[in-house]
Amino acid sequence: AQSVTQLDSHVSVSEGTPVLLRCNYSSSYSPSLFWYVQHPNKGLQLLLKYTSAATLVKGINGFEAEFKKSETSFHLTKPSAHMSDAAEYFCVVSDRRFGNEKLTFGTGTRLTIIP
Amino acid sequence: DSGVTQTPKHLITATGQRVTLRCSPRSGDLSVYWYQQSLDQGLQFLIQYYNGEERAKGNILERFSAQQFPDLHSELNLSSLELGDSALYFCASSAPQQGAYGYTFGSGTRLTVV
Repeated sequence: AQSVTQLDSHVSVSEGTPVLLRCNYSSSYSPSLFWYVQHPNKGLQLLLKYTSAATLVKGINGFEAEFKKSETSFHLTKPSAHMSDAAEYFCVVSDRRFGNEKLTFGTGTRLTIIP
Repeated sequence: DSGVTQTPKHLITATGQRVTLRCSPRSGDLSVYWYQQSLDQGLQFLIQYYNGEERAKGNILERFSAQQFPDLHSELNLSSLELGDSALYFCASSAPQQGAYGYTFGSGTRLTVV
């Protein structure tokens, strides 16, 4: 079975400093991996997706993630945090076998930005 | 606006009642997915429909049912509601051949059971 583990439930960083949100995945097959963001009282927005074309994936708003098969990780990073980045972030996996289209979400990491 | 429309945005109802949540997918999308976001269970996949047919089922209770109509809109029916059913219910749609790569989520329906 596929799953993702978000290693931190809450991360706080100062504005202008780097952001690191950690995610490890478990999948017996080549996974499809995503990061989604949810701002307060809003829906889910796709930040980026790993499609196996490149291990370093660039997303929206300056975020990027690196797929590391040897470490089964897909950590999300951003060089410089903005106040508008405060939100809940979800690491998500989908198993590409058998046309599986459902998403399995991690438990989320709440990112707080300190002014 | 993501193109996926969910109505109503908020719903407050009493235990034991039945409600219907509606989702209109993005134009051209044939797949509709329902997810539940609750404080204790997180975000969980409930069910998927593709062009009117049930395609996949997740952790959906027997008290819940869904369908997709010929115009491709979908409804999620929740009956015999319990306090624990209070949650944010998301609908997403995806184009043919896009699957997980082509999800677009609606803004959700917040259900409160009192």
